[in-house]
Amino acid sequence: NAGVTQTPKFQVLKTGQSMTLQCAQDMNHNSMYWYRQDPGMGLRLIYYSASEGTTDKGEVPNGYNVSRLNKREFSLRLESAAPSQTSVYFCASSEAWGRTEAFFGQGTRLTVV
Amino acid sequence: ELKVEQNPLFLSMQEGKNYTIYCNYSTTSDRLYWYRQDPGKSLESLFVLLSNGAVKQEGRLMASLDTKARLSTLHITAAVHDLSATYFCAVDILYSGGGADGLTFGKGTHLIIQP
Repeated sequence: NAGVTQTPKFQVLKTGQSMTLQCAQDMNHNSMYWYRQDPGMGLRLIYYSASEGTTDKGEVPNGYNVSRLNKREFSLRLESAAPSQTSVYFCASSEAWGRTEAFFGQGTRLTVV
Repeated sequence: ELKVEQNPLFLSMQEGKNYTIYCNYSTTSDRLYWYRQDPGKSLESLFVLLSNGAVKQEGRLMASLDTKARLSTLHITAAVHDLSATYFCAVDILYSGGGADGLTFGKGTHLIIQP
């Protein structure tokens, strides 16, 4: 049982490049989330999808877009990467929106130079 | 705006000692979560506290929730080196009408347990 799977695990981008972070869960969860983790900041919510077909902004959405491709998959896109987006990105899922335990993927360590 | 504050943010302690990590939050909530993160790894769920007075224990860790005080504690008993990690608390709020803002995390407590 894989749980939440993220790809890639590591990525280096040049400023202005674009990329998509992929996330898939096999727990039949309805809700999915993207967080970023920066030193000393805890985790901050970027975007979330309460259920298939819906997405909404979290605390720090600027510079990102998301797609809930189907119930299993939720992708995060950086259209024009900036050094301020250097971070560790975590995808998570839960049975229901904001009310049950969230399970996290292994993270993507992104460096923008 | 919901704020979640943990203290201490850094804790170095010796094996065999007891200590408590505190998590305060600013808005009424009845759901609080504790996670553990090892360096370079993902977050692992430790405890889900769902009501006022909830207490959960797993090995040397015990978590409690006081919703009236807006306070949760994570108590470590007779610490061992394997408990060295960063511990996060997180809170969610369900607004009337069904809206929510997802989990809001504290900044984490970096715990080092020395022999």
